[in-house]
This record gives sequence, C-alpha cells and structure tokens, in this order.
Amino acid sequence: DIQMTQSPSSLSASIGDRVTITCRASQGISNYLAWFQQKPGKAPKSLIYAASSLQSGVPSKFSGSGSGTDFTLTISSLQPEDFATYYCQQYNSYPFTFGQGTRLEIK
Amino acid sequence: EVQLVESGGGLVQPGGSLRLSCAASGFTFDDYAMHWVRQAPGKGLEWVSGISWNSGRIGYADSVKGRFTISRDNPKNSLYLQMSSLRPEDTALYYCAKGFEYSTSFADYWGQGTLVTVSS
Repeated sequence: DIQMTQSPSSLSASIGDRVTITCRASQGISNYLAWFQQKPGKAPKSLIYAASSLQSGVPSKFSGSGSGTDFTLTISSLQPEDFATYYCQQYNSYPFTFGQGTRLEIK
Repeated sequence: EVQLVESGGGLVQPGGSLRLSCAASGFTFDDYAMHWVRQAPGKGLEWVSGISWNSGRIGYADSVKGRFTISRDNPKNSLYLQMSSLRPEDTALYYCAKGFEYSTSFADYWGQGTLVTVSS
C-alpha cells in the first residue's frame, strides 16, 4: 500500500500569512493527489485534485503543486475561515490512502 | 445540488454486523464511482472502500478487507456497506462520498456521516 506522509502535523500562523503544507507518497503516484479541508464537526471539503487543479468554487488562494512523490498545498493570505485541518489523499491505486492531516491554527 | 444521506449506524457488539446505506440525489448516480470513508473520534480520515459506476472495480482498505462488502443499487440511487465481524477499532463516523468520475477517483462530495459504535 502507498503511505502518505504530511508535514507538519500542526502549524500556527497569523491572519494574512502564506503557508505551505507538504505531502510525500511512499512511491510514485503521478499526479493522482487530492487535498481536502475539514472543519470541526463538518464533513471534509474537496479543494484540489490532480495535484494542482482547483475544485469548482474553491478560491484561488488555494494552490497545489507536485508530481511523483512530493506535493505541496499553499494557502495565501490566511483568513479566519481557513483555519482547519487539511488532508492529502492519493487515488493512484487502491487502497486509496490519506495523509495523517495538518492542523492549521491561529497564532 | 448533490445530496448524500447516510443511515444505518448505531451501537453494535464486537463480532456483530451492521449495514450502512447512503441515499444519493442531485446527480446521475450511475455515472459516478462512490466511496466510504471513516473517521474515528478525534482521529484522521481513513478511506474504507470504493466502487466504480458499474460495480466492476471495487477496492478495500486492508483493515476491513474480508469483513466489509461495498455494493450499489443504481436504479435505487443507493450505496451500501455491509460490515461484519465488527471490532472496537471500527468505531467511527462513516461518510458516504461521491467520486469525481466513473471509475477510480477521489471524492468530491461528502455526506454528513453516520456513527458506528462497536462496544459491549
């Protein structure tokens, strides 16, 4: 199975900051990588697919990059609604696997 | 508007069985893959199982393989997860999720989940 490792596990940032979360796959997954945002008590929300394609309705402050084994999610100009937990997921092959999550907190 | 409504969760004893259902609306159900994803209390997301539009391709997490069975009924716009030999570590909120396309793909819409508690 493909293991997904996110870093950092938690991150403190201020309003207006730009942050980057990384996700590493244990083997190459081409660009079959998705990012999700989850707020407490809510279902996850799809942000990015195919490593860098923005899901419909998601603001352009979210961007993704990478291919193969190394990927990043960047969030620019942080606003209060962006503080949440973020997950990467590979969908290159079954079983699909998620990273452990990155909790983004207000500094 | 895509809507996914899970049902069938509850309290079950270890070794017991439970069948989850997901009623889908707002999209052409038989055009898309579907998934089950779970989240144990206070923990991260775990993909459980996925099924292609025509049930031709099915996958399971290692942790549930041989115990859980995913299925779908396209005329009824419904997704199911038959769970057996349940263990305390299966306790979680189970989400039904729509695939982005017809075969293997990530989930682009999620339901609100149904809670499964495995305890004596």
